[in-house]
Amino acid sequence: KQEVTQIPAALSVPEGENLVLNCSFTDSAIYNLQWFRQDPGKGLTSLLLIQSSQREQTSGRLNASLDKSSGRSTLYIAASQPGDSATYLCAALAPMDSSYKLIFGSGTRLLVRP
Amino acid sequence: DTEVTQTPKHLVMGMTNKKSLKCEQHMGHRAMYWYKQKAKKPPELMFVYSYEKLSINESVPSRFSPECPNSSLLNLHLHALQPEDSALYLCASSQDSGGAGGPVGELFFGEGSRLTVL
Repeated sequence: KQEVTQIPAALSVPEGENLVLNCSFTDSAIYNLQWFRQDPGKGLTSLLLIQSSQREQTSGRLNASLDKSSGRSTLYIAASQPGDSATYLCAALAPMDSSYKLIFGSGTRLLVRP
Repeated sequence: DTEVTQTPKHLVMGMTNKKSLKCEQHMGHRAMYWYKQKAKKPPELMFVYSYEKLSINESVPSRFSPECPNSSLLNLHLHALQPEDSALYLCASSQDSGGAGGPVGELFFGEGSRLTVL
């Protein structure tokens, strides 16, 4: 059974720092891995999608990597800003019966202090 | 347009009421999903529709009844809910569900409907 874990559960950093959020999954048989951002009481915003055949994806100050063999993905945020404060969720798309299921980690709550 | 629109944004209902949540997307996606999210928890999958047919039901109680009238619309009918059903209900869509071998692609989520059951 696929399980997704995110460390740390919460992170507080001063503005301007570079930071890394970690995501691990127990079964390497994933279709893709997606990183989301969620502001309090809001829906999920897709940040980056990494296909199982890819190693990394970049969008602006965000870079996500994927290492299927070790069951890990990281989200790197460069030059953090207070507006980056949110909960970051990773989700692995795993086979389930004859379809696929997106399995979420518990998220990392990020606070960037001015 | 990468938007998934959910209505209403907020809903308060009694345990004997019947109400519906609505979701709409115009990205041409053929897979649509309902998720339930409790406070400080990750989203939990409830239902998956693929090509307007229910393909996954995660053992959700029958007081939740999904409906997919066409490829752009997804409804969640609510009846005789319990206070513990209070949560944020999220709709999502993707190019395909992968069940028929089609590419799943990226999942796009709506802003959610905040449901409170009294």
